[in-house]
Amino acid sequence: DAGVIQSPRHEVTEMGQEVTLRCKPISGHDYLFWYRQTMMRGLELLIYFNNNVPIDDSGMPEDRFSAKMPNASFSTLKIQPSEPRDSAVYFCASGRGAGGQPQHFGDGTRLSIL
Amino acid sequence: TQLLEQSPQFLSIQEGENLTVYCNSSSVFSSLQWYRQEPGEGPVLLVTVVTGGEVKKLKRLTFQFGDARKDSSLHITAAQPGDTGLYLCAGAGSQGNLIFGKGTKLSVKP
Repeated sequence: DAGVIQSPRHEVTEMGQEVTLRCKPISGHDYLFWYRQTMMRGLELLIYFNNNVPIDDSGMPEDRFSAKMPNASFSTLKIQPSEPRDSAVYFCASGRGAGGQPQHFGDGTRLSIL
Repeated sequence: TQLLEQSPQFLSIQEGENLTVYCNSSSVFSSLQWYRQEPGEGPVLLVTVVTGGEVKKLKRLTFQFGDARKDSSLHITAAQPGDTGLYLCAGAGSQGNLIFGKGTKLSVKP
């Protein structure tokens, strides 16, 4: 079975540029989550969707961050304009059902903003 | 606010040793999950514990959920280098999400 697929795996760009991260969840999963992981703050939930509808975006750090899920098989996380403090590993995860249901993670996008 | 505190933050041991890592909260969780994350990869689910006092075993790994469902522990017997990784606990949040601890980074040296 194909897992959660994220692209790109690595992104290096200069401050001020737009960054778009992509995620393909596991087919049949109705929840999709975007996380950011840093050494200092650990794994932070940014936003999550249920049936393509954003449910909670309270973790999105600023208006520079936006996420969309146009259909059940694709989601994007966009940062515009990017800043050095956005450098982190960004994970997408999908799952069936809410709360205590397991989440399946992609391998992440390592983002470096110079 | 529901928070999960994991300890220790870092642990470096020799192959063959036993170890226990902890996941604590002041909040009650309906269930807790444990994940292992290896470098360059996403977290992978190891186990879910649901019932207070529940004990689950996965080969050399033993997971326990506290009676009050506020804490959990992971015990590894005879650790091996392949056990190296970041161990994360996660509790079911009230908003349909998972709340993650910051993890315990385990290094097992041959």
